[in-house]
Amino acid sequence: GENVEQHPSTLSVQEGDSAVIKCTYSDSASNYFPWYKQELGKRPQLIIDIRSNVGEKKDQRIAVTLNKTAKHFSLHITETQPEDSAVYFCAATIGGSYIPTFGRGTSLIVHP
Amino acid sequence: KAGVTQTPRYLIKTRGQQVTLSCSPISGHRSVSWYQQTPGQGLQFLFEYFSETQRNKGNFPGRFSGRQFSNSRSEMNVSTLELGDSALYLCASSTSGTPQEKLFFGSGTQLSVL
Repeated sequence: GENVEQHPSTLSVQEGDSAVIKCTYSDSASNYFPWYKQELGKRPQLIIDIRSNVGEKKDQRIAVTLNKTAKHFSLHITETQPEDSAVYFCAATIGGSYIPTFGRGTSLIVHP
Repeated sequence: KAGVTQTPRYLIKTRGQQVTLSCSPISGHRSVSWYQQTPGQGLQFLFEYFSETQRNKGNFPGRFSGRQFSNSRSEMNVSTLELGDSALYLCASSTSGTPQEKLFFGSGTQLSVL
C-alpha cells in the first residue's frame, strides 16, 4: 500500500516568515494530494489539494508543489500569521482509491 | 447544512469494556470513514462504509468493527478495550465516495481507557 512520510514533525517560525512542509509518497500510482489543517481542539479541514497533472497550485498565501518524478510534494505558507498555527496533514490517494493515506502531521507554531 | 456530528464528545472506559461511537454525516453524504488519531501517529484509517457496506478496511484488529445504517449514520464499536486504544476517533463523510473526494471531518470522540 501507499506510505506517506511528512517532515518536519514540528516547525516554529516568526510571524511574517515563510513555512514549508514536505511529504514523500511511495506509490507512483498516487495522483491526488490533499492537505488538511487541524487547529487545536478542532476538526481537520481541507485547505488545498493538487492532482498529478498539475505541478503547482496557489490559493492566496498557501501553495502546493508536486514533483512526480521524485514523488514528493510540499506545502508553502507565506507571510505566516499566528492563526496559521495548527497541525497540518498531507495525504496521498492512489488512483481509483477512496481512501487517502495521511502523513503523521506537522505542528506549525507561528510566534507573534 | 449541518456538519458531521460525532457523539459522544468524550468517553472514559476501563480495560476490557466495550464502547460504541456514533457519526452522523452531512445530509446527502453516503460515504463515512473512520480514523484513529494519536499524538505523533497522524490519522490511521480504520474502515469506510458506503451504502451500508464496508468498502475499505485498514490494518486494525478485529476488536474494531463498524456498521452503517440506511440513513448513512455510522457506528464504530471497540470491544475488549486496551490502554492503547486511547485516542481521538474521527469520522469523515463525503458525497458519493468517488475517488479523490474532499473529506468533511467531525470533531471526534476522545476515548480514554483507564
